Amino acid sequence: DSGVTQTPKHLITATGQRVTLRCSPRSGDLSVYWYQQSLDQGLQFLIQYYNGEERAKGNILERFSAQQFPDLHSELNLSSLELGDSALYFCASSVDGTDFYEQYFGPGTRLTVT
Amino acid sequence: AQKVTQAQTEISVVEKEDVTLDCVYETRDTTYYLFWYKQPPSGELVFLIRRNSFDEQNEISGRYSWNFQKSTSSFNFTITASQVVDSAVYFCALSEAGDNYGQNFVFGPGTRLSVLP
Repeated sequence: DSGVTQTPKHLITATGQRVTLRCSPRSGDLSVYWYQQSLDQGLQFLIQYYNGEERAKGNILERFSAQQFPDLHSELNLSSLELGDSALYFCASSVDGTDFYEQYFGPGTRLTVT
Repeated sequence: AQKVTQAQTEISVVEKEDVTLDCVYETRDTTYYLFWYKQPPSGELVFLIRRNSFDEQNEISGRYSWNFQKSTSSFNFTITASQVVDSAVYFCALSEAGDNYGQNFVFGPGTRLSVLP
């Protein structure tokens, strides 16, 4: 158990809808990262937040957004969903903002768009 | 554009054999990071190592070792005396550092390692 929690574990929704994925980092970790893993695109880094501020942005679509709250949990919002958004979404946390170092991953949220 | 190639799609070895997973990368930047991650059958990702482009020293952690060679743009991963628990998909990744931090973070396609008893 990495100490990173993600909810929900599974999510099934229809095209055009909006969903929110939640991530709680390990106690004491200030950074949260989001990744997407799909059959078509493989693994992709989406975005990183550090202590409430956006730290780095990767291949995140404009339809997607994220934020990190004062209690350091993070949410990834996916809107106008398309079939191609079906994927496993991972979050990871690390102690500080040091570039992608010593990350601990959550179990992922599997999103199915029908 | 940055690129990571893991030419070995699948590898099977028998327990206790040594195995090397290859990773070749392309980047125009002089400052970058290289990574290895493990994804066991349970599905969770596990961070294994991050290497700075200015640090070409090889690293050893238990049965794991990494060989970073800038001259050949490779960052290979060797498991010594493999065990069944090493069975997983292993991903190599590359990220720009500096002002472009986080941009163009690229994963390789992964190598599926099966260690047979």
